[in-house]
Amino acid sequence: DTGVSQNPRHKITKRGQNVTFRCDPISEHNRLYWYRQTLGQGPEFLTYFQNEAQLEKSRLLSDRFSAERPKGSFSTLEIQRTEQGDSAMYLCASSLRPSLTSGVINEQFFGPGTRLTVL
Amino acid sequence: AQSVTQLGSHVSVSEGALVLLRCNYSSSVPPYLFWYVQYPNQGLQLLLKYTTGATLVKGINGFEAEFKKSETSFHLTKPSAHMSDAAEYFCAASFNYQLIWGAGTKLIIKP
Repeated sequence: DTGVSQNPRHKITKRGQNVTFRCDPISEHNRLYWYRQTLGQGPEFLTYFQNEAQLEKSRLLSDRFSAERPKGSFSTLEIQRTEQGDSAMYLCASSLRPSLTSGVINEQFFGPGTRLTVL
Repeated sequence: AQSVTQLGSHVSVSEGALVLLRCNYSSSVPPYLFWYVQYPNQGLQLLLKYTTGATLVKGINGFEAEFKKSETSFHLTKPSAHMSDAAEYFCAASFNYQLIWGAGTKLIIKP
């Protein structure tokens, strides 16, 4: 399978614990995105990487959240001291860099997501 | 601020009937526009996208959407609904290469 993969698919944790999620993008994609999705809502942008550089972070990404993409391939999203409000689906997507000449944005391919439940 | 609005959190149609899911964007500059579909417990899959050129865009599974700049709309249609179309549909717009998402519309197909 050459799509975007995410692990684990489900995570149940107790409030105050740390959790880490992994995303493996499509291999030739240089952009990687993290989103959070709660029930009945569309995805909310958290952060994105171009290769190993983290280029933008949303205000939703509090200091308890950290994301890395150390070698420009897979990425991890860590949440420290989890709170019940962190319960959500965490989605990862990857894409090619948008064309600087045509300005065309490339399709983002999504993984199946990691569903986090904080008790 | 840029935004995407999907009218109706739930839309119910009979099998074989026309599907119409509405999406409006708010921006002074027309963005690139996308429709994604999400089946239960699965990731988002691109249905179609509008960047430039022809304003009527055809996608997968018989869906199409028309970009209307004057109405700042990008509504999704399918002439004849099938049971397998039951899913949640998201409209998204790109602003400065970032995607802003609508809240989604759950499509329910009645037999």
